[in-house]
Amino acid sequence: EDKVVQSPLSLVVHEGDTVTLNCSYEVTNFRSLLWYKQEKKAPTFLFMLTSSGIEKKSGRLSSILDKKELFSILNITATQTGDSAVYLCAATSGTYKYIFGTGTRLKVLA
Amino acid sequence: NAGVTQTPKFQVLKTGQSMTLQCAQDMNHNSMYWYRQDPGMGLRLIYYSASEGTTDKGEVPNGYNVSRLNKREFSLRLESAAPSQTSVYFCASSVGRYTEAFFGQGTRLTVV
Repeated sequence: EDKVVQSPLSLVVHEGDTVTLNCSYEVTNFRSLLWYKQEKKAPTFLFMLTSSGIEKKSGRLSSILDKKELFSILNITATQTGDSAVYLCAATSGTYKYIFGTGTRLKVLA
Repeated sequence: NAGVTQTPKFQVLKTGQSMTLQCAQDMNHNSMYWYRQDPGMGLRLIYYSASEGTTDKGEVPNGYNVSRLNKREFSLRLESAAPSQTSVYFCASSVGRYTEAFFGQGTRLTVV
């Protein structure tokens, strides 16, 4: 059965800290790995990764995929209180289904 | 930029009542999805529509039906609501397989 596992489940840091969120996957016919940020409402798209070893970067956020070891990480540097959210990763396969992990809840303290 | 629009945002139903959740996207996407999100369970796929005219079951389809009315609209119907269907429901759309999906703002449904 396809599955995506995220760790840690939750994390509390102080502003300015750097955090690393982990996402491992076991998916038949893997195609892509996506990261989302979910605050109070809808998940909002952050990154999509398809190639191993190529970092995607947007401001203080970056992500990389390792297709050999079947995982991805999301790094957030110089965290701010606005980064507090649940971060979701999802894997796509040969079907139309996105397989989501249960998320990492990040709380950034001022 | 409306993106994906869901209605209603909140709903309370009594056990046995029926209702339809509406979803529309204006991004000319081919594929649309209905997910439910429960604490500790993540997002679980109920039904999806790969393209206009097709629908398929996801992970948790029991108790639900869907209609892909046209390319823009994809509705989710609960025929006889049960307390186990209390959840937050999200509609999403994507250009196709493997690409990023965009989500609506969600419908918080409570069945009492």
